[in-house]
Order: sequence, then C-alpha cells, then structure tokens
Amino acid sequence: QKEVEQDPGPLSVPEGAIVSLNCTYSNSAFQYFMWYRQYSRKGPELLMYTYSSGNKEDGRFTAQVDKSSKYISLFIRDSQPSDSATYLCAMGDDKIIFGKGTRLHILP
Amino acid sequence: GAGVSQSPSNKVTEKGKDVELRCDPISGHTALYWYRQSLGQGLEFLIYFQGNSAPDKSGLPSDRFSAERTGGSVSTLTIQRTQQEDSAVYLCASSRRLAGGPYEQYFGPGTRLTVT
Repeated sequence: QKEVEQDPGPLSVPEGAIVSLNCTYSNSAFQYFMWYRQYSRKGPELLMYTYSSGNKEDGRFTAQVDKSSKYISLFIRDSQPSDSATYLCAMGDDKIIFGKGTRLHILP
Repeated sequence: GAGVSQSPSNKVTEKGKDVELRCDPISGHTALYWYRQSLGQGLEFLIYFQGNSAPDKSGLPSDRFSAERTGGSVSTLTIQRTQQEDSAVYLCASSRRLAGGPYEQYFGPGTRLTVT
C-alpha cells in the first residue's frame, strides 16, 4: 500500500459547483496535512495546511482531516475557472510525502 | 527575494546520453527535494537532502539516477544512459519550517527533459 493515495482525475465540474478532493494515507504518525496547488507549467505552491484532525477554512477553501479514517479532503465552494489546476495533498513533518495530484477543470 | 531556480529549463537529449540538471535552492533552506512529474505518473519523489544527514535515495528509480548537494546548497541530478521513459519534468524544491507549522516546500519552475 502506498503511503498516500490520490485519484489523478481529471475532474471536470461546472462553475459555481462545490468541489471535493480527497486523499487517503497509511502512516498514522502524520500530524501535518497540506494541500498544494499547481497551475500549468508552474511548480506547486502551498495552498493551506492543518495540524492533526479537524477543519480549517480559508475563504472558499476548507481542509478537513479525519485521522481515525486516515482520510483528508479539500472542499472548494463557488468554484471558479481560475481554480482549474492540479491539487496535490501532502503530509508529514520534516520529510513531506505528496500524493500524485488530481487535475481539476472548472467549466465556465 | 529569489526563489528556487533550475537549469536548463528545457533539455532535449538522445537516448543513451548522460544529462545533468541543476537546482539552486533558496538561501538558508536546509532541505532539498527532487521530484519528477509526468502526465501518467503524477508527482514522483526521487531524493531528499536534509542538512548534513545522509540523503534519502529511496525514490530513485534505478542506479542510472544519482544526485549530490555541494556545500549544503546547489544540487545536481544526473541521469546516465538516458532512456525514453526518463522524459518528464524534473522539479526541485527547498523547504523551511513555517512558524508553528510544517515545512513549506518552495518549488522551482522545473526542467523539461525530452529523450529522443
């Protein structure tokens, strides 16, 4: 079993929809959980992070961690075409483990 | 300030040739990672340097791949006897710990390698 599993997509949704992106993981020692966003032909950039279980909200974005299920989610409300990108989950502390990334297309 | 830089930005090479990819991390960042990314495989971890510790080479796909980091700064990824399946974007990242948070990785723009 891989340490971090993420569906590669692509995921296409209409503008204004709620988007749900997810990852599962196997290492129960992970404490920090991050989401990176990568636009085409650019390197990934940190979008937001959470520590341990719970939710964190930042504008239209909400990150959710369920450590009991080893499952993390990123929700995007009122999705916009500018949200079209690859979203990568990441977790760990000094050594970060990334998911493969999910390609998201928001259709105008 | 200056971000992570990588060179060359594009590299086309013939199968069987050796290539060297360079990464200049952000000054003061102790950790440095190499990844490769392709459409079918997503982001793949290759190697991780942290300070003066022995590098974590667990992601290198074969012994044709090697990397070094000189003086805790610049890193070079070398691919010997390149194969067509080595074609990908090679990304470098350096990282620093956020106040009260995890290490944040800062990625370079990548080197797009094409093996013909």
